[in-house]
Amino acid sequence: DAKTTQPNSMESNEEEPVHLPCNHSTISGTDYIHWYRQLPSQGPEYVIHGLTSNVNNRMASLAIAEDRKSSTLILHRATLRDAAVYYCILRDNNQGGKLIFGQGTELSVKP
Amino acid sequence: DTAVSQTPKYLVTQMGNDKSIKCEQNLGHDTMYWYKQDSKKFLKIMFSYNNKELIINETVPNRFSPKSPDKAHLNLHINSLELGDSAVYFCASSLGTRDTGELFFGEGSRLTVL
Repeated sequence: DAKTTQPNSMESNEEEPVHLPCNHSTISGTDYIHWYRQLPSQGPEYVIHGLTSNVNNRMASLAIAEDRKSSTLILHRATLRDAAVYYCILRDNNQGGKLIFGQGTELSVKP
Repeated sequence: DTAVSQTPKYLVTQMGNDKSIKCEQNLGHDTMYWYKQDSKKFLKIMFSYNNKELIINETVPNRFSPKSPDKAHLNLHINSLELGDSAVYFCASSLGTRDTGELFFGEGSRLTVL
């Protein structure tokens, strides 16, 4: 299973942008990069995913390095509600579509 | 209308008992999963079913037996509960095994074994 490496924790101020990094140097050509987050006492929630190109949606942006060995999740304006554990995951459709979760980054947002 | 719903939300039981957790999805998805989150918050996949067929079994003890009566339901039955089974169990679903999109997770079922 391809692995990802993320910082254990990060802090941000409310209303400021947050850049959450992820390294995945062993990524294969068929791996999609997925980001999920888990708010306290809730199930994981999908944030965004991509393959090669940068992606934007209403929640966040995903910047993928040209060699695909790293990516960055960008929250444009952090709110208190964004405090959660953020997981960067490689999803290989050749492995039954499962997500292999790592330790994630615990994001705290200060008012 | 909850997309992926699990029951019960909380379950407290004694060692040695047998218990079940139910999961239903109303998204029309073909694939469903069970994940376990232990006290260290690590999320680990246990099982995956596609159209009622088991496709992933991540070396889970055979005391755990998933059952999929139809593709909208994936239940988890646990025999002879042990202390180490205490965890939060999450059910999830996705369109299929080969789609590239998201998994939808339930809110979790917290199992406490005394």
